[in-house]
Amino acid sequence: KQEVTQIPAALSVPEGENLVLNCSFTDSAIYNLQWFRQDPGKGLTSLLLIQSSQREQTSGRLNASLDKSSGRSTLYIAASQPGDSATYLCAVVITGRRALTFGSGTRLQVQP
Amino acid sequence: GAVVSQHPSWVICKSGTSVKIECRSLDFQATTMFWYRQFPKQSLMLMATSNEGSKATYEQGVEKDKFLINHASLTLSTLTVTSAHPEDSSFYICSARVGTQNTEAFFGQGTRLTVV
Repeated sequence: KQEVTQIPAALSVPEGENLVLNCSFTDSAIYNLQWFRQDPGKGLTSLLLIQSSQREQTSGRLNASLDKSSGRSTLYIAASQPGDSATYLCAVVITGRRALTFGSGTRLQVQP
Repeated sequence: GAVVSQHPSWVICKSGTSVKIECRSLDFQATTMFWYRQFPKQSLMLMATSNEGSKATYEQGVEKDKFLINHASLTLSTLTVTSAHPEDSSFYICSARVGTQNTEAFFGQGTRLTVV
């Protein structure tokens, strides 16, 4: 059974810091990995999608990497801002399935 | 990106009543939609996969008679919580993709259900 783990569970940083969120998964047989942002009481906003054949994807201040063989992904946020405060979720699509399997999330707070 | 709209965003109902939640793909057709449930400060757990024109596929432990799913068109899936009880209070959220499992998944705004 695929298990997705995110470390740390919570993180508080001062504004302007660069930070890394970690995601690991136990079964490397995946189609892709997706990073999401969730604000309190809201739905999910897709940030980056990495296909299993890709190593990284970038969007603005966000960079996500994927090492499928070791079952790891990282989300790098550059020059963090208070508006980045949210819960960040990673999720994978297991080969042979269509739905996403989610990690438990990292709650990020960026202090002004 | 594609837009998935969910309605209502919140609902309060009395114990024993039924509640219907709608999930619409606004600018694309979705033969498959997914329903998730999220408890406070926890991650999303897949409840069922909604298939247009056929029966939904439920995850182990999810009562199909309690959580009725209908996917009658390529842009609409509904989740009905029947005979709701306080333990059904949760955040329900739907998802859809434009294409296959290799494509980006988009989510609705979620529905906060409170059963009193």
